Amino acid sequence: AQSVTQLGSHVSVSEGALVLLRCNYSSSVPPYLFWYVQYPNQGLQLLLKYTSAATLVKGINGFEAEFKKSETSFHLTKPSAHMRDAAEYFCAALEPNTGFQKLVFGTGTRLLVSP
Amino acid sequence: KAGVTQTPRYLIKTRGQQVTLSCSPISGHRSVSWYQQTPGQGLQFLFEYFSETQRNKGNFPGRFSGRQFSNSRSEMNVSTLELGDSALYLCASSWGSGNEKLFFGSGTQLSVL
Repeated sequence: AQSVTQLGSHVSVSEGALVLLRCNYSSSVPPYLFWYVQYPNQGLQLLLKYTSAATLVKGINGFEAEFKKSETSFHLTKPSAHMRDAAEYFCAALEPNTGFQKLVFGTGTRLLVSP
Repeated sequence: KAGVTQTPRYLIKTRGQQVTLSCSPISGHRSVSWYQQTPGQGLQFLFEYFSETQRNKGNFPGRFSGRQFSNSRSEMNVSTLELGDSALYLCASSWGSGNEKLFFGSGTQLSVL
């Protein structure tokens, strides 16, 4: 069964520093991959997605992620953190071509941004 | 265009009661899926409905059920509530089943006392 691993339940950065949130998937068949952000008391907002097109995916709010099949990874980066980026980030996988909408989520990484 | 709407936003129940949560998808979306979010278990898939049919179900007991109406609105029901059912329940909609772009609502926060 598909699984998603996010290394680090908490990541702390200073404002202006590089943000790197790690995500690895388990299946031998590359799934569709997603990064979602969740602000307090809100639902999930899609940041970006990989669906077997370009391996470098650009999303909203200056985030991007690179799909690396050899490493089974889909790490999320942002060159310069802002205070407003403080939130919880979830990596998720979806098996392609199944006709199903079953997302498998990682456990989440809380990003803390200090001034 | 209105987003995914979930009602109520907050709910407090006691053990043994039952509860019904509602989800109105984005207009034109036909697939609705439900997720449970808890601090201990994270986000877990409950079930997905497409055109009033349940297409997929997660590993939850039969106390968790759902349905979808002809206008694509969906409800989920939890019977005989347990303390462990306290969670944020999120609904997501998409245009079609198999379409990869899911839009999430803000969720219903259920507290079981």
